[in-house]
Amino acid sequence: AQRVTQPEKLLSVFKGAPVELKCNYSYSGSPELFWYVQYSRQRLQLLLRHISRESIKGFTADLNKGETSFHLKKPFAQEEDSAMYYCALTYYNQGGKLIFGQGTELSVKP
Amino acid sequence: KAGVTQTPRYLIKTRGQQVTLSCSPISGHRSVSWYQQTPGQGLQFLFEYFSETQRNKGNFPGRFSGRQFSNSRSEMNVSTLELGDSALYLCASSLRLAGGLDYNEQFFGPGTRLTVL
Repeated sequence: AQRVTQPEKLLSVFKGAPVELKCNYSYSGSPELFWYVQYSRQRLQLLLRHISRESIKGFTADLNKGETSFHLKKPFAQEEDSAMYYCALTYYNQGGKLIFGQGTELSVKP
Repeated sequence: KAGVTQTPRYLIKTRGQQVTLSCSPISGHRSVSWYQQTPGQGLQFLFEYFSETQRNKGNFPGRFSGRQFSNSRSEMNVSTLELGDSALYLCASSLRLAGGLDYNEQFFGPGTRLTVL
């Protein structure tokens, strides 16, 4: 079965430190991976997705099919990055169905 | 563009009752997906509707059902409520095409907080 795992429930870093939020998935085919973010008192929103290969708000994520990972990285964390981050997966002809990880709460301290 | 709206925002019901939640997608979006969010299970996919047809279904009992109208608005219904149905129910809309390689962004609503007593 398809599954997304985010091993850290909480990640706490200081402002200016590098950040890496881990995401591993299990799916035998070619998945499409996403990172969604939920800031305090805001809606869940798309941060970035593998297919577009963009850098959003300084965040990047690389799909490693060998390690089945899609870790989210940012070289210098900012306080405004504090939020809940969810890794999600979908696959061919299932675009309306997202499989989410449990989420990682990122706390950036001043 | 107005975002996805969900009504009501909060709901309190008792065990055994039924409940209907409503979702209005972004104008022009034809796909509506529903998710249940709980502290223990996280975000779980319930079902997706596209052009008034259920296109996908998650692993939930038959007490959970939904429908979509011709204007793309969607409702989900939960019958015979159980305590474990207490959750935040999120809907999301997208410009999803008919099928195939389609990974359009899902836009989420604020959710309906359902409490079952």
